[in-house]
Amino acid sequence: KNQVEQSPQSLIILEGKNCTLQCNYTVSPFSNLRWYKQDTGRGPVSLTIMTFSENTKSNGRYTATLDADTKQSSLHITASQLSDSASYICVVSSVAGNNRKLIWGLGTSLAVNP
Amino acid sequence: KAGVTQTPRYLIKTRGQQVTLSCSPISGHRSVSWYQQTPGQGLQFLFEYFSETQRNKGNFPGRFSGRQFSNSRSEMNVSTLELGDSALYLCASSLGIGGSTDTQYFGPGTRLTVL
Repeated sequence: KNQVEQSPQSLIILEGKNCTLQCNYTVSPFSNLRWYKQDTGRGPVSLTIMTFSENTKSNGRYTATLDADTKQSSLHITASQLSDSASYICVVSSVAGNNRKLIWGLGTSLAVNP
Repeated sequence: KAGVTQTPRYLIKTRGQQVTLSCSPISGHRSVSWYQQTPGQGLQFLFEYFSETQRNKGNFPGRFSGRQFSNSRSEMNVSTLELGDSALYLCASSLGIGGSTDTQYFGPGTRLTVL
């Protein structure tokens, strides 16, 4: 069964600290993996996308890694800011022929406190 | 370039009623997908439309339907509303060409409350 599991479910950190969010998946066939940021009351916004051959991708203070062998991804946030408070969602794309499926994780809720 | 717009932003209905939500995609995008988001279930895929045709469908009952117009704008309809339909309904548009570059851009969502 195709699944995407994220941990932790929620996280509280102090402003300026770093943190790492985890995403484990069992999706086949694998096409790519994205991390989205969703602010409260807004739609998700894509942060990074990685294909099978990529093992790291950065977007400013956000760095995503992918280990296709262990089927794990992480999102590292450096020098956190209050505006990083949001839900971070991992989604894996599976493409078979002309049929594309997106398997969404439940997200990690991050609170950055001053 | 204007982003994805959804109307209305908030909606309150009672059980048994029906509702229509609207989504205007980014100019040039031909694919529109709809999602239901609830705290415990995360994003649940409803359906995707591409060039006025339903291309993919999630596991929702027939009370949930949609359509896409020739200008790529899309509407989603829910009939005979149930309390469990209370959720944030998100619309996402993309070029629809597939592949890793086909990023979905989400609208702000419509918050539906069923009383």
